[in-house]
Amino acid sequence: AQKITQTQPGMFVQEKEAVTLDCTYDTSDQSYGLFWYKQPSSGEMIFLIYQGSYDEQNATEGRYSLNFQKARKSANLVISASQLGDSAMYFCAADRGRSGGYNKLIFGAGTRLAVHP
Amino acid sequence: DTGVSQDPRHKITKRGQNVTFRCDPISEHNRLYWYRQTLGQGPEFLTYFQNEAQLEKSRLLSDRFSAERPKGSFSTLEIQRTEQGDSAMYLCASSTRWGASGGADTQYFGPGTRLTVL
Repeated sequence: AQKITQTQPGMFVQEKEAVTLDCTYDTSDQSYGLFWYKQPSSGEMIFLIYQGSYDEQNATEGRYSLNFQKARKSANLVISASQLGDSAMYFCAADRGRSGGYNKLIFGAGTRLAVHP
Repeated sequence: DTGVSQDPRHKITKRGQNVTFRCDPISEHNRLYWYRQTLGQGPEFLTYFQNEAQLEKSRLLSDRFSAERPKGSFSTLEIQRTEQGDSAMYLCASSTRWGASGGADTQYFGPGTRLTVL
């Protein structure tokens, strides 16, 4: 069974600085996808970035990048140049991947990020 | 806006009452998921539809819960005889086999329905 571990219940960062949110995963699947979502206080889950298990390059989307270390089974999210609007809960999730049929997401417990001015 | 929509956004009910939530997915998405999120936790998978077919149900989905997607478009989630333990955020997500993220089946979520059972 897949399991996602986010060991940082809360993090804070100064505005304009970079921050890394940790995520480790445990899966026996050969093909899988890793996702990060942002959940502001309004409740909506906002997709940020995706990394496939066979992708050799780390994924990047604007200020978001995913530090993928397959051997360590880690998929840390890096947010560069933090903004006040980045304050939210961040969830790491894994799925069965492209060859596994549909994608039931397994989520971690989340990390609450606070950006200070 | 053509994102996932959910209705209602908030529902307060008394224990023992039935409630029904609606989810309208992104129009071209044939896959639809329901998740439940309790306070301080990540979302947990409840059920999955591909078009109108319900292909998987979690053990979390007791016999008081039923979900439908009759025409392969919108979906409803009904909870019968609600209990206080049903209080949670109910999230709907949709996807298509080949999404925007390099072919990944990325799920896009709606704003959720927050249920409070008194």
